[in-house]
Amino acid sequence: GDSVTQMEGPVTLSEEAFLTINCTYTATGYPSLFWYVQYPGEGLQLLLKATKADDKGSNKGFEATYRKETTSFHLEKGSVQVSDSAVYFCAARSNDYKLSFGAGTTVTVRA
Amino acid sequence: GAVVSQHPSRVICKSGTSVKIECRSLDFQATTMFWYRQFPKQSLMLMATSNEGSKATYEQGVEKDKFLINHASLTLSTLTVTSAHPEDSSFYICSAPRGGAFKGPEAFFGQGTRLTVV
Repeated sequence: GDSVTQMEGPVTLSEEAFLTINCTYTATGYPSLFWYVQYPGEGLQLLLKATKADDKGSNKGFEATYRKETTSFHLEKGSVQVSDSAVYFCAARSNDYKLSFGAGTTVTVRA
Repeated sequence: GAVVSQHPSRVICKSGTSVKIECRSLDFQATTMFWYRQFPKQSLMLMATSNEGSKATYEQGVEKDKFLINHASLTLSTLTVTSAHPEDSSFYICSAPRGGAFKGPEAFFGQGTRLTVV
């Protein structure tokens, strides 16, 4: 099955800093890739997605590009805010429709 | 607004009792739903796939007699933790893919249920 390896946290940043969270995957085919965000005490929310190679997902200032050659889907944001403090999960989904999640990265942004 | 609703959001129960968690799709029919468990500071682990009108499919290592799943309608799946013990304390999350299991790339998640067994 698919597996996802995600940069371990926690990550602590100052407001307006640049954020990168690395994510790589292994899969037999070409999975769809996702980033989910979990705010304290809440369930997961889809942040962005990409379904094929070279696609770029973007939302709320976050971006991630599906790189087939490096099997990666790194999440980036140029200028973080305190409200971006959350746990971020990278996930992959192949034809069997099950999502495989990375371990999650806790991000804390300080004012 | 939420398209998948999970209830309750928090529950505290005594050891040996059973707890039922509901997961509802609000504006679409979900023939398949998924139940995950999240341990503190860890990722989500898929427990089982809930199939409307048939038996759930459990992941390896998940006790089906311990975690009873019922998917009685196209909008409701329930997870019952039977004879709960403190080690069952965890955050349980359901999800449902809109558009059917093989269609549509997006799965919607419930808000999660924090179960504490004392």
